[in-house]
Amino acid sequence: AQSVTQLDSQVPVFEEAPVELRCNYSSSVSVYLFWYVQYPNQGLQLLLKYLSGSTLVKGINGFEAEFNKSQTSFHLRKPSVHISDTAEYFCAVRTQGGSEKLVFGKGTKLTVNP
Amino acid sequence: SAVISQKPSRDICQRGTSLTIQCQVDSQVTMMFWYRQQPGQSLTLIATANQGSEATYESGFVIDKFPISRPNLTFSTLTVSNMSPEDSSIYLCSVSRNTEAFFGQGTRLTVV
Repeated sequence: AQSVTQLDSQVPVFEEAPVELRCNYSSSVSVYLFWYVQYPNQGLQLLLKYLSGSTLVKGINGFEAEFNKSQTSFHLRKPSVHISDTAEYFCAVRTQGGSEKLVFGKGTKLTVNP
Repeated sequence: SAVISQKPSRDICQRGTSLTIQCQVDSQVTMMFWYRQQPGQSLTLIATANQGSEATYESGFVIDKFPISRPNLTFSTLTVSNMSPEDSSIYLCSVSRNTEAFFGQGTRLTVV
């Protein structure tokens, strides 16, 4: 079985500051990794995903994440955040070649202040 | 990509009643997934719905409480039965395509 740990439930930052949202996972098999964003009163939108290959993946809205297999981490970063990045961010995993169901972390609430 | 329409978008229901949530996908998919997001919590998978077979429920979820229908490859329903305030959550329908999961806008359910 897989599990996902998002170490920070809330992250407040000032506009134009860099941010890192942390995600660690546990799995006995190879996984795919995802970051989703949920804006208030909206559904989930995919930010980026790691399937294979380069461990640094770039997503939408200037976000990127780095897969670290030895540390079983997939941290999300953005060099300069905007007010509009205020949202809930979820890290998720699914097994490679297995079920398509996702296991989510508890989420990190990013609040960007002016 | 996939476009998923979910209805209703929100509802307020009396305890003891049932609500059926509909999910329509813009193209055929093999599996459809139903998730629950309790207030301030993450998403938890309720069940996986395959067309032509019984849904597969995750630990802690049972068919009597959350019956699911999957009459064709583009449509599914989830019923929340005999509701209590603890069922107040957002319920989301999801499909997977090319390793990416797509989600409906969700149904925000409040049980009073």
